[in-house]
Amino acid sequence: EVQLVESGGALVQPGGSLRLSCAASGFTFSDYNMHWVRQAPGKGLEWVSYIDSRSRSTNYADSVKGRFTISRDNAKSSLYLQMNSLRVEDTAIYYCVKDFNWSLDHWGQGTLGTVSS
Amino acid sequence: DIQMTQSPSSVSASVGDRVTITCRASQGISSRLAWYQQKPGKAPKLLIYAASSLQSGVPSRFSGSGSGTDFTLTISSLQPEDFASYFCQQANNFPWTFGQGTKVEIK
Repeated sequence: EVQLVESGGALVQPGGSLRLSCAASGFTFSDYNMHWVRQAPGKGLEWVSYIDSRSRSTNYADSVKGRFTISRDNAKSSLYLQMNSLRVEDTAIYYCVKDFNWSLDHWGQGTLGTVSS
Repeated sequence: DIQMTQSPSSVSASVGDRVTITCRASQGISSRLAWYQQKPGKAPKLLIYAASSLQSGVPSRFSGSGSGTDFTLTISSLQPEDFASYFCQQANNFPWTFGQGTKVEIK
């Protein structure tokens, strides 16, 4: 069974940093591209970032470009999102998501990052 | 960026009704469109990928169609567990983008 378990969400002040982690199991992690998707409270879904299976290629939403960095460790079956220069509008549940045929087939339960003074 | 416009934003329906949700892309996206269902407090669930392919384990009352710019999600006979929000998502270009969502409510 595919499992994606996020951690690292917390309350942080504007301008601060957070590092989210996602532990993957139940599939060969190194074979799949991965994404982060977020959802602000009561709002819709926003795609945040992508990394290919071998870390050769990454992509970011314009809203986070230059502030967030996606990475992965295939030996540890783990995905990461380093978030710097955080803004109030970055407050959201962050989901770790597995890529499948240009879609997102398995989602973690999410971790809440709150940016507030 | 490709804009995804869903309609309606909400729909009230009864058990057994046929429900259709549409999604329009601001430019052609071939068949690189997916549909998701989300219930309150839960992560989204993939229903349809590649515009019309049913994800494993998803009931056959869900179907998807379309290509290019216009797409449809149909629930042929609404069941109590189908009351939820639905989102479309394009994967033709980065940044991937979602529709704003459609909430299916009980009439």
